[in-house]
Amino acid sequence: SYVLTQPPSVSEAPGGTARITCEGNNIGGLGVHWYQQKPGQAPVLVVSDDSDRPLGIPERFSGTNSGNTATLTISRVEAGDEADYYCQVWDSDSDHWVFGGGTKVTVL
Amino acid sequence: ELQLVESGGGLVQPGGSLRLSCEASGFTSNAYWMQWVRQAPGKGLVWVSRIHNDGSSANYADPVKGRFTMSRDNAKNTVYLHMNSLRVEDTAMYYCARDLWGYDSFDMWGLGTMVTVSS
Repeated sequence: SYVLTQPPSVSEAPGGTARITCEGNNIGGLGVHWYQQKPGQAPVLVVSDDSDRPLGIPERFSGTNSGNTATLTISRVEAGDEADYYCQVWDSDSDHWVFGGGTKVTVL
Repeated sequence: ELQLVESGGGLVQPGGSLRLSCEASGFTSNAYWMQWVRQAPGKGLVWVSRIHNDGSSANYADPVKGRFTMSRDNAKNTVYLHMNSLRVEDTAMYYCARDLWGYDSFDMWGLGTMVTVSS
């Protein structure tokens, strides 16, 4: 089955840039979605199809996807961005959705 | 108001059964595939199952295949997750979510319902 690997944690100072990676075999050929989950809350979609932002998501959130790595970038990091972030792809070989293990973003 | 509301969670003994519900409001749920995703305490998101717009087909993650069944009643704008032979490792918050094409992003999630399997 398809596996997505994320770093367990990423830290960044306010105003800096946080980058969260999601690694998978030839992930560049798949559409990657990213979700933000704050403690005690349901996940929220922040980037779809590699780089599209849903309505209401700040431009500070952006995504790229190429080769074996997809990346979610949070620019001008704010305290309110502290959360767990998950990447997701559709594995058509198994007809299963796959989530990465999640990355905890800490704002220093 | 656009929302998904889950219900039906609770405490159940190992080997027991439970039926979760997810009611959609503010939109026509039969335009969407619907999904169940679970999250064990302190752990990450894990996809559980999905069902076609018209209920004609469903897919399941390997750990629940053969024990869980997803269904929907579009007249009631509600999807269900029938869970049998529950195990301690099924303990989790269960979220429902919608997905337009079956392979699209989950653009709306419910708040979840907690299932605890324990003796």
